[in-house]
Amino acid sequence: EVVLTQSPGTVSLSPGERATLSCRASQSIISSSLVWYQQKPGQAPRLLIYGTSTRATGVPDRFSGSGSGTDFTLTIDRLEPDDFAVYYCQQYGDSPPYNFGQGTKVEIK
Amino acid sequence: QVQLQQWGAGLLKPSETLSLTCGVYGGSFNSFYWTWVRQIPGKGLEWIGEINERGDTDSSPSLGSRVTISADTSRTHFSLRLSSVTAADTAAYYCVRGRRDRRALSCSLRGCTYAYSYYMDVWGEGTTVTVSS
Repeated sequence: EVVLTQSPGTVSLSPGERATLSCRASQSIISSSLVWYQQKPGQAPRLLIYGTSTRATGVPDRFSGSGSGTDFTLTIDRLEPDDFAVYYCQQYGDSPPYNFGQGTKVEIK
Repeated sequence: QVQLQQWGAGLLKPSETLSLTCGVYGGSFNSFYWTWVRQIPGKGLEWIGEINERGDTDSSPSLGSRVTISADTSRTHFSLRLSSVTAADTAAYYCVRGRRDRRALSCSLRGCTYAYSYYMDVWGEGTTVTVSS
């Protein structure tokens, strides 16, 4: 079973700054299985990036994903007020259970 | 555009069985993985399990035999049953569409090279289930 560990737990940034979120897997996973979601309070999660680096439809290019093996990163350039949320990584499609990381909260400084 | 609408009892007593159903509207049931995810209040997301159009299921070992995921014969709804609930099962439960696509990039006599797309892209609005005596 793959365990995903996200860091930091919370990051405080100002609009316009860059956010760098980490997701580390307990064992190597295929790049096509690493997914990122965004969740705002009271809402269902929203698909953000899949296959490590492919943005979902409608996702601004300020969001980018990278990584391979066990280390993956979500980068948000030029943070906008709408970007302050919780971000989850998930390994999906490689081997079940398709676990999520515990989430990183991006909050306004 | 496909939408997922879910319903089910929101208040249960310990030892009862949680039962939720999710309707798939505006899209095909085939070629997808119909999934349940839950979120304990203030906590992260937990993958519960899934079913595909052939009726094949998979579920999280942490929930063991308490989980049953099924789909109706018309392939327009799928359901979650979680038996013997406790307060630890209090959570928001989401039904979700999963995709695991494979696309051939190139093929030769030795075989094909594929691109894989794995993600969960359509979420229901969530149902809050509270377990309390």
